[in-house]
Amino acid sequence: EPEVTQTPSHQVTQMGQEVILRCVPISNHLYFYWYRQILGQKVEFLVSFYNNEISEKSEIFDDQFSVERPDGSNFTLKIRSTKLEDSAMYFCASKRGAGTEAFFGQGTRLTVV
Amino acid sequence: AQTVTQSQPEMSVQEAETVTLSCTYDTSESDYYLFWYKQPPSRQMILVIRQEAYKQQNATENRFSVNFQKAAKSFSLKISDSQLGDAAMYFCAYRSDLYNFNKFYFGSGTKLNVKP
Repeated sequence: EPEVTQTPSHQVTQMGQEVILRCVPISNHLYFYWYRQILGQKVEFLVSFYNNEISEKSEIFDDQFSVERPDGSNFTLKIRSTKLEDSAMYFCASKRGAGTEAFFGQGTRLTVV
Repeated sequence: AQTVTQSQPEMSVQEAETVTLSCTYDTSESDYYLFWYKQPPSRQMILVIRQEAYKQQNATENRFSVNFQKAAKSFSLKISDSQLGDAAMYFCAYRSDLYNFNKFYFGSGTKLNVKP
């Protein structure tokens, strides 16, 4: 069964460092998302991406964040200068088209120290 | 903006018994989807069940069923014959059908404990 794959499963980084979280969506999917879940809190929307551009972003998704689909298979989330409050679980999701189901990856736990 | 409310931060159920998790939501839209996701300690998000708002029939998936009350904007999850493996956080989620790239809105979650 096809699945959304995220790497790494856990990343520890020092405050101020850049991190790139990677996702491989399901191959025929066209819509891509990043969500974040701070420990003990609800899952929050960060950004959606379609047709090689951001279609919507939340207030959380400021200039420190960027997304890219560099090679047609990967979908990355970059945090330029990490802060302690960026520590969270980051989920990638993808879906094929309108009205179809979205599938979540297993998440990347980011710890900023 | 849409909001999803789960008023039960934590619940417990005896193994083999039935438990119902509550969820309410607020929206002005008529077409949307509702979901229950399970999040075990591994923190992966696993889809449990999905309901299309235009369908009057409540969705069922083996031991999991929902009670969808559109007028009341209520979407509860019933777990029958609870098993130890059902212990997890459960998140209710809403997704609009208005746009192709519509996002999820999640509730704050209910932690379900299953007692042997």
